[in-house]
Amino acid sequence: TQLLEQSPQFLSIQEGENLTVYCNSSSVFSSLQWYRQEPGEGPVLLVTVVTGGEVKKLKRLTFQFGDARKDSSLHITAAQPGDTGLYLCAGRRNNDMRFGAGTRLTVKP
Amino acid sequence: GAGVSQTPSNKVTEKGKYVELRCDPISGHTALYWYRQSLGQGPEFLIYFQGTGAADDSGLPNDRFFAVRPEGSVSTLKIQRTERGDSAVYLCASSLGVRETQYFGPGTRLLVL
Repeated sequence: TQLLEQSPQFLSIQEGENLTVYCNSSSVFSSLQWYRQEPGEGPVLLVTVVTGGEVKKLKRLTFQFGDARKDSSLHITAAQPGDTGLYLCAGRRNNDMRFGAGTRLTVKP
Repeated sequence: GAGVSQTPSNKVTEKGKYVELRCDPISGHTALYWYRQSLGQGPEFLIYFQGTGAADDSGLPNDRFFAVRPEGSVSTLKIQRTERGDSAVYLCASSLGVRETQYFGPGTRLLVL
């Protein structure tokens, strides 16, 4: 059983569309991180959210941490083919970090 | 600057063989982590080191898996009597300290035939 559930598992959209992916858990985390991973590479950190209710923006990406620090969402505006990749969330409790299974996003030109 | 490097990038072995996977962390990073990523899954925590000591090895699946970091820098993940189910990408990450941002290497793709 995954500690962090990500949805949807797969998402294929056209360039210019908006999308939201979700990361949910029954556990409380001290922080939550979003990574993007491309084929043949390791995950690359996009953002860390720490405070319940926190919203962070990174260009066209908006990240939100749930009030109870159990869930998070990633919203992408006007998706581009360069956004294609595996989006992973990871929750930190004390000194360890646990990953979800990821959402595999494909943006078609 | 140099990032985390892992060697080999690919390893094909036969069931029952012994393999070693190497990780060179970013210089000055005291914490080092090993993860395993199976196809279609996120990284699964295996073990992490703070300096030379294994601070948490609770993710190692069984006693065929062992990791060392003798000088507090390079780490080696060792797998004995490999099984087909060990096939995965083994990722290494390092961070300045525990709870700091982890930087990942490209991984070693292990295939056990």
